[in-house]
Order: sequence, then C-alpha cells, then structure tokens
Amino acid sequence: DAGVIQSPRHEVTEMGQEVTLRCKPISGHDYLFWYRQTMMRGLELLIYFNNNVPIDDSGMPEDRFSAKMPNASFSTLKIQPSEPRDSAVYFCASNRAGTGNEQFFGPGTRLTVL
Amino acid sequence: DAKTTQPPSMDCAEGRAANLPCNHSTISGNEYVYWYRQIHSQGPQYIIHGLKNNETNEMASLIITEDRKSSTLILPHATLRDTAVYYCIVRVPYNYGQNFVFGPGTRLSVLP
Repeated sequence: DAGVIQSPRHEVTEMGQEVTLRCKPISGHDYLFWYRQTMMRGLELLIYFNNNVPIDDSGMPEDRFSAKMPNASFSTLKIQPSEPRDSAVYFCASNRAGTGNEQFFGPGTRLTVL
Repeated sequence: DAKTTQPPSMDCAEGRAANLPCNHSTISGNEYVYWYRQIHSQGPQYIIHGLKNNETNEMASLIITEDRKSSTLILPHATLRDTAVYYCIVRVPYNYGQNFVFGPGTRLSVLP
C-alpha cells in the first residue's frame, strides 16, 4: 500500500483565496483525521470521519474551514477565505477499527498564506 | 483524558540506547500507552503501544512500570535517523469516539 496520500505537498496562496487540501486514506481504513501543526500550537486535531461521516469537528477553528469525505477513498479540507494565520502544515491520517488504533499519517501539506 | 509529561529535549550518542521517559500518573485502567515520533518535515509515525506488559517490536521496546504511572521508550541502538520529536500518548484504543492528543513531546537529538 502506498500509505496515506496528500496533495498538494506545498501550497502558497494569497489572503482571501480559497484553498483545498486533498487526502486519500489507506485502503480499508474506516477512520480519517485532519490535523494542523504550527510551532505555536503543536499538532491539533481538526475533524475526523468514520465511514465517511463526520464524527467530531470541534477542532475546526471557524466557519472558514470545512471538510468533506464523499467516499471511502477521498477527503478534502477547504479554507475559504484563507488568512495568513492559517499558514501551517496540515496532516491527514487514517486507521482501521479493530486494530490497536495506531494512526497512519500522510506526509502533510505545507500551506503558506501571504 | 489522562495527560502525559515528557522532558522537552534529550541527547543520545549514536549507537547507544536512547531511553525516553513519560509520566502518566492519572492513567485509567483501560488506557494504553502509545508512542509516536515525528522526523523533521514528515508526518508522525507510530512506534509502539502497550497496556501493562513490556512490549518490543522491530523499532523499540516499551517498559511500563507496575503501577502504570510512567513508561520508558527504549531505542536500543540509536542512529542519526532516530533524531526526531517523540510523543507519548495515553488513550483507550477501541473507543472509537476518542482520538490522540499530541503534547509537545521530547526532542531527541542523536549525536555522532
């Protein structure tokens, strides 16, 4: 398996623009997580899905952030409009229920909002 | 959630064992101890987990005290590639409504 795949790996955009981050979880995994990492706040959970259904989005910072999982093999995290304080590395992770609950992380998307 | 306490940084000489401590004095009976690490510019990587018995895999060993209030991750022969931030997390593994909370971790520097 190729592991969790994220795209793009780097994104530079200007304030006010829409940003869409993409994630393909490991095949057969039924949980998908979106995290954000910054120097100031560390690694924060934003939202997670189970069987494509959002379960807990309490970590989503504000309404400018939205996430979808239209099918078991694809998820998006959208920021509209983007702001400089959204600059961070965004990680996607997945795991399979019934295992030791170890999460498998993607390589991350480094977002820079100018 | 049980919280963990780790030293912010540690050094280890290449080829020697790296022993990374973690305190989790409020851990509950059904919570496991998990260890992850994050190498610079990469996503976190699962290392090992355990409940109360010592565990070993190809990456590391996990030693959990009898009272379960602390644990130690052991990298038996540290290499330069083991330089990373190591996170200790406690969590109920099969509670699907729960997730991992990553604290600041321990920054391990393996020195040549």
